[in-house]
Formats: sequence, C-alpha cells, structure tokens
Amino acid sequence: AQTVTQSQPEMSVQEAETVTLSCTYDTSENNYYLFWYKQPPSRQMILVIRQEAYKQQNATENRFSVNFQKAAKSFSLKISDSQLGDTAMYFCAFMKWVMGSGNTGKLIFGQGTTLQVKP
Amino acid sequence: DSGVTQTPKHLITATGQRVTLRCSPRSGDLSVYWYQQSLDQGLQFLIQYYNGEERAKGNILERFSAQQFPDLHSELNLSSLELGDSALYFCASSSTGVRNEQFFGPGTRLTVL
Repeated sequence: AQTVTQSQPEMSVQEAETVTLSCTYDTSENNYYLFWYKQPPSRQMILVIRQEAYKQQNATENRFSVNFQKAAKSFSLKISDSQLGDTAMYFCAFMKWVMGSGNTGKLIFGQGTTLQVKP
Repeated sequence: DSGVTQTPKHLITATGQRVTLRCSPRSGDLSVYWYQQSLDQGLQFLIQYYNGEERAKGNILERFSAQQFPDLHSELNLSSLELGDSALYFCASSSTGVRNEQFFGPGTRLTVL
C-alpha cells in the first residue's frame, strides 16, 4: 500500500520570502503521479502542481516548483516570492497510474502542512 | 470554479439519521470520486465510479453507499449516522484527457449532533 508523509504540520514564512514544504512517499509502483493541492480557508481543494514519475525534469508553475527525487521517494514544494494569498493548508498526494482514458486512480493524501504567510 | 458542483453546502442532522449528498461532475467527465476530510482521519478516499460502475473502493463504511446515475451525477448515502461521521465530504471528477487530474467540488460540510 502507498503512503504519503508530510512531516511539517505547520510552517510560516515572511511575505516575499521562499519556503519549502516536504513530502515523502512509499510505493513499489514505477508509474505514478504526484500532486500538491492547496486548501485555503474556503476549504476548496485547488491543484497547485503535478509531476509525472517518468519525467526527470522537475515541474514548475509560476512561483511554484517541485524537487522530485524518485530514488529517495521525495517530493518537496518550493514557493518563491510568497504572497499573503498563499496562506493555506498544502497537501501532497500520490496517484498510481491506471490504464484507461478518463480513469484516474485514487488520490492518497498526506496529513497536510499549514502554511502561514506573514506580512 | 472547478466545474464540479455539490449540494448541499452544509448539512446538520442527528445521530441515527440518513442523508444524501449529491455531486455533478464537470461536463464530459466520466469518473466521480468521493473523499472524506475529518480531523481524525485527514483526507481519505471513499469510493470511485466510472461511467455508472463502481471502480474502486477505499475505507468506506458499510453504512455508506454511493451510486452514479446515467446522467453521470453521483450520490453518496450515509445512514445510521454517528458523531464521528461529521466531516467535509468532497466529490471530484477526472478528465478524459491524459493529465490525470482530479477536479474537486466545494464540498459538503456534514455535522452530526
């Protein structure tokens, strides 16, 4: 069974600074996807960034980037130029690749990291 | 706005009761997933339907059941409710493309008193 671990329950960062959130996972699968979701106080789950395990290049989405270390089973999220709107809970999630168009696997989430961006 | 809708937004009920949560996926999405978010268990997968058929099951209690209808909307039925069932229930749907993304609805907040 796959597990996802986020070892930092809470973190804080000053506005405009950079912060890194940690995530490790355990799996015997070779084909899978990793995601970071953001959950602001509104409780909406928002996809921040995704990474395919077969890609060596780290994914980047504007101020958000990941450091994907497949051998170490590590998937950290770096937020650059932090903004007040980045204040949220962040979840790391694992998805096993499933054959078939439109049929994704279930998401397995870590426990989440609450990030507070301070002015 | 993800395009996934869930009703109701909030639900308050008593122990022993039964409730139904409704989800409409994004247009064209065939898969629907249900997740439960609680303080004790975190975010966990309950069940998945694909084009009307059950595809995967997670840690879903026997008191809970779900179905997906021909128009692809889904309902999650929770019965014999207990205090511990109080949680935020999310529905998500997935694209038919290759990006393997799941799009989440706004959730239904269930409070069992």
